[in-house]
Amino acid sequence: SQQGEEDPQALSIQEGENATMNCSYKTSINNLQWYRQNSGRGLVHLILIRSNEREKHSGRLRVTLDTSKKSSSLLITASRAADTASYFCATDEAGGFKTIFGAGTRLFVKA
Amino acid sequence: DTAVSQTPKYLVTQMGNDKSIKCEQNLGHDTMYWYKQDSKKFLKIMFSYNNKELIINETVPNRFSPKSPDKAHLNLHINSLELGDSAVYFCASSKYRDRGLETQYFGPGTRLLVL
Repeated sequence: SQQGEEDPQALSIQEGENATMNCSYKTSINNLQWYRQNSGRGLVHLILIRSNEREKHSGRLRVTLDTSKKSSSLLITASRAADTASYFCATDEAGGFKTIFGAGTRLFVKA
Repeated sequence: DTAVSQTPKYLVTQMGNDKSIKCEQNLGHDTMYWYKQDSKKFLKIMFSYNNKELIINETVPNRFSPKSPDKAHLNLHINSLELGDSAVYFCASSKYRDRGLETQYFGPGTRLLVL
């Protein structure tokens, strides 16, 4: 299995609802990042949270990190149809040079 | 202005052919990457260069050969293409390879289809 596994694999919600995605990882990390990928496009960086941080906000995004459980969550509040995309978490292994991406959560927001 | 660009955007070719994908970034970044995204959307690092020096070389067939002529360019050459090479290849760059503090900027991807 992979570092940075997202849960759920797919999520369908109504516009205006909140969307929560979870990410679990296996090794110690330096930081954890969330990226968004719209269909047919490259990944776009959303937010980075360092291993010594527990929560971070950016607009309608809220990210939490629990290093004791090796997990992170991404909350999108008041979702919009334009939030429809795949969301990936990515981790940098402590002492390593690689950024490892999970398989992503596919979010579909219905208008 | 496009930050990270890739050419071509689409590539359809026959098995056994040799092809190249080019990547350029105008962000002044030191580090560049090649990723492969398979049909299940899983993204896997292939190579990474820092200041033209190869720093990550994952277990990929030696038919894949990266080349970085300068900090702003990282090309990927693939020999003897196989059906399993069909995927989307993404180039990315980041400001520096200080461990753990890097935001990567991705290109639009090259969709490779091997027939």
